Amino acid sequence: DAGVTQSPTHLIKTRGQQVTLRCSPKSGHDTVSWYQQALGQGPQFIFQYYEEEERQRGNFPDRFSGHQFPNYSSELNVNALLLGDSALYLCASSHGLGNYGYTFGSGTRLTVV
Amino acid sequence: AQSVAQPEDQVNVAEGNPLTVKCTYSVSGNPYLFWYVQYPNRGLQFLLKYITGDNLVKGSYGFEAEFNKSQTSFHLKKPSALVSDSALYFCAVRDGRDDKIIFGKGTRLHILP
Repeated sequence: DAGVTQSPTHLIKTRGQQVTLRCSPKSGHDTVSWYQQALGQGPQFIFQYYEEEERQRGNFPDRFSGHQFPNYSSELNVNALLLGDSALYLCASSHGLGNYGYTFGSGTRLTVV
Repeated sequence: AQSVAQPEDQVNVAEGNPLTVKCTYSVSGNPYLFWYVQYPNRGLQFLLKYITGDNLVKGSYGFEAEFNKSQTSFHLKKPSALVSDSALYFCAVRDGRDDKIIFGKGTRLHILP
């Protein structure tokens, strides 16, 4: 039973560019949440997708957008990259509201130069 | 809005000794509480959760946590530490009326051989 799969594992982008990160949730899970973890910090909530809609959003600018597909997989898009966007981006999946916690992927390490 | 505080950046414990990693929380409604562990360059692994019921919750790898409503705390404990327990530990909380899980900044646990 596959867990949460994220791709790519590492990525280097230049300031101003755009990036797309991908996530396949654990089998049986229908909700995907995205987190940004800067170095030495705890994960910060970006947004959550359920039934192909953004259900909730954290304090992130509109440069951060997402999508959920009918098979529950999800994409995180970041436009106009800034140096400060360099971080580990974590995808977490759950069934419904996540009462029983999330299952996390290993993350995508994004470096903006 | 919910919040989590982990007052210690690092905790050092000798192998074989009991360990405690502290966590306090703030929520408007009933709390859903979680502990996760992160190893270098990896995603977060679920350790245990408190939703309702017994205040002492047992989880993976011999860890347990005690929910204290009056002190709004959810400290992580283990009777006998192992060197392999050395990692970054995150406490997290979800307000029962909200969908997102909020993480603390993390506590680095260092078990000394």
